[in-house]
Amino acid sequence: AQRVTQPEKLLSVFKGAPVELKCNYSYSGSPELFWYVQYSRQRLQLLLRHISRESIKGFTADLNKGETSFHLKKPFAQEEDSAMYYCALSFPQGGSEKLVFGKGTKLTVNP
Amino acid sequence: NAGVTQTPKFQVLKTGQSMTLQCAQDMNHEYMSWYRQDPGMGLRLIHYSVGAGITDQGEVPNGYNVSRSTTEDFPLRLLSAAPSQTSVYFCASSYGGSVLNTEAFFGQGTRLTVV
Repeated sequence: AQRVTQPEKLLSVFKGAPVELKCNYSYSGSPELFWYVQYSRQRLQLLLRHISRESIKGFTADLNKGETSFHLKKPFAQEEDSAMYYCALSFPQGGSEKLVFGKGTKLTVNP
Repeated sequence: NAGVTQTPKFQVLKTGQSMTLQCAQDMNHEYMSWYRQDPGMGLRLIHYSVGAGITDQGEVPNGYNVSRSTTEDFPLRLLSAAPSQTSVYFCASSYGGSVLNTEAFFGQGTRLTVV
């Protein structure tokens, strides 16, 4: 079954420290992966998708098919990065693309 | 540019009451979905729709009904509210049909408490 695992419910780092949010997936096909972010009192929004190979707000994520991982990284965390982060997997089903989310990691960046 | 609009933002229900959570999008998206967000459980898919007149069950559909009479609207109905349905509900939409268009746009959420 298609599944996304985020092993850390909570992650706390200090400002300026590197941060890595882990994401592992289970999917037999070619995966399409995303990171979504939810800042306090805001709606969920797309942060980045692996297909674009982009860096958003200093965050990057590399797809590692051998390890079935899509970890989110940032070399120097900022206080405004504090938020809830969700890893998501998209796969075709019933003529459309279904989106499955992990349970999320709450990142706190301390001053 | 409204995007995805959910109403109400907050609701308190008594056990056994019914209600409808409204969701509307103005982006002409084919794919719409409802999630519930619970602490430690992440986002779980309740129901989804790939177009007007087509709906299907997600991971946790029991106790909820949906319909999709128009492309714009995708209401979620609680038939007989239970305390276990206390949660934050999110509606999302996307173009669908292609992974390149799979970015999901979310509403602001509805915080529902069932007492």
